[in-house]
Amino acid sequence: DTAVSQTPKYLVTQMGNDKSIKCEQNLGHDTMYWYKQDSKKFLKIMFSYNNKELIINETVPNRFSPKSPDKAHLNLHINSLELGDSAVYFCASSPATGLSEAFFGQGTRLTVV
Amino acid sequence: GENVEQHPSTLSVQEGDSAVIKCTYSDSASNYFPWYKQELGKRPQLIIDIRSNVGEKKDQRIAVTLNKTAKHFSLHITETQPEDSAVYFCAASKGDTGKLIFGQGTTLQVKP
Repeated sequence: DTAVSQTPKYLVTQMGNDKSIKCEQNLGHDTMYWYKQDSKKFLKIMFSYNNKELIINETVPNRFSPKSPDKAHLNLHINSLELGDSAVYFCASSPATGLSEAFFGQGTRLTVV
Repeated sequence: GENVEQHPSTLSVQEGDSAVIKCTYSDSASNYFPWYKQELGKRPQLIIDIRSNVGEKKDQRIAVTLNKTAKHFSLHITETQPEDSAVYFCAASKGDTGKLIFGQGTTLQVKP
């Protein structure tokens, strides 16, 4: 009964390919996020959705397209993968107010070769 | 723009000693300050948080202090144990969107 689950956990793919990462939360939260953690462990927000609506897009290349079919799901699709996209991608969710804990998924380690 | 600076980047202490990690933030509208612990290969997990109407909060061996005037907040871990070894992140949020601005992280090593 994992609160925030994302799949796959590992993803190895070649440059130029298109891939998707899926995320689901069963906490009833209204807000979901995608964060990117680079090789230096730095965590940076990419996107945020509130009740299926995009509210944050942090100057991420438009090769990255999030999709939220409902408020419990937020998927991330990446087109034309580049070497620099290699990172760990974390999905997270929080209650709508934002002044409370964000729960993170277990992460997806993406390696582009 | 929004920025959170965290120091030190690495910290090594003997078991039983105290550890202190400090953060400063740039956006004076920030009003929520969580601390996350990330063990190797795992997800970040909240260990303690503080809101801007509070100056200090304690939970067993962990405490956080906030100085809104100086825009500083700190994490204090007392009686450190080897299982405290991890990367610790501070973060700041304005609470409107829930967006967290993270510090660069501190790798804490507790030597037995």
